[in-house]
Amino acid sequence: SQTIHQWPATLVQPVGSPLSLECTVEGTSNPNLYWYRQAAGRGLQLLFYSVGIGQISSEVPQNLSASRPQDRQFILSSKKLLLSDSGFYLCAWSPTGVGGYTFGSGTRLTVV
Amino acid sequence: AQKVTQAQTEISVVEKEDVTLDCVYETRDTTYYLFWYKQPPSGELVFLIRRNSFDEQNEISGRYSWNFQKSTSSFNFTITASQVVDSAVYFCALTGGKLIFGQGTELSVKP
Repeated sequence: SQTIHQWPATLVQPVGSPLSLECTVEGTSNPNLYWYRQAAGRGLQLLFYSVGIGQISSEVPQNLSASRPQDRQFILSSKKLLLSDSGFYLCAWSPTGVGGYTFGSGTRLTVV
Repeated sequence: AQKVTQAQTEISVVEKEDVTLDCVYETRDTTYYLFWYKQPPSGELVFLIRRNSFDEQNEISGRYSWNFQKSTSSFNFTITASQVVDSAVYFCALTGGKLIFGQGTELSVKP
């Protein structure tokens, strides 16, 4: 069966420090991968998505970047965190983009 | 561009009341999927239902039911005889290739 792993669960980082959040999927090949952020309030904003290795689409210009070095690995990064980067980050995968979506358990990031 | 609107920011009901959460969407795609997710306080997203654009049949699952109407671009969610455990934020979402969420409706069910 397919599973998605996301870590860490919580993270407290100082302003200006780098960030690396990792997401991996097991049990499937060539998934569509997504990063979402949920800031204060409730909206889930799509940040990046990828349909294949090395293919990254950015939805919102910001202080973050994403990479997909392997088929089932999706990484969210920042060189220098801002206070506004605080939020709940969710990784997701979908076999085709129009089928079902499976979400990771999320990373709660607090930038101090 | 795709858009999902959940006009109700917060709803508060008393246990055993019925409650309907509204969802209106916009898309130019002829083929698309609609979803509802539940987000309890712990934060994880719990999948509730997926409906494709060609299937307008209403669906019932226990106390949950969904009303999909393409003519009004709506996909409303009703909880019958609400319970305290239903308290959560509920998201409606739309995909034609990437999943776009509404802003969510926070449901509070009081005993």
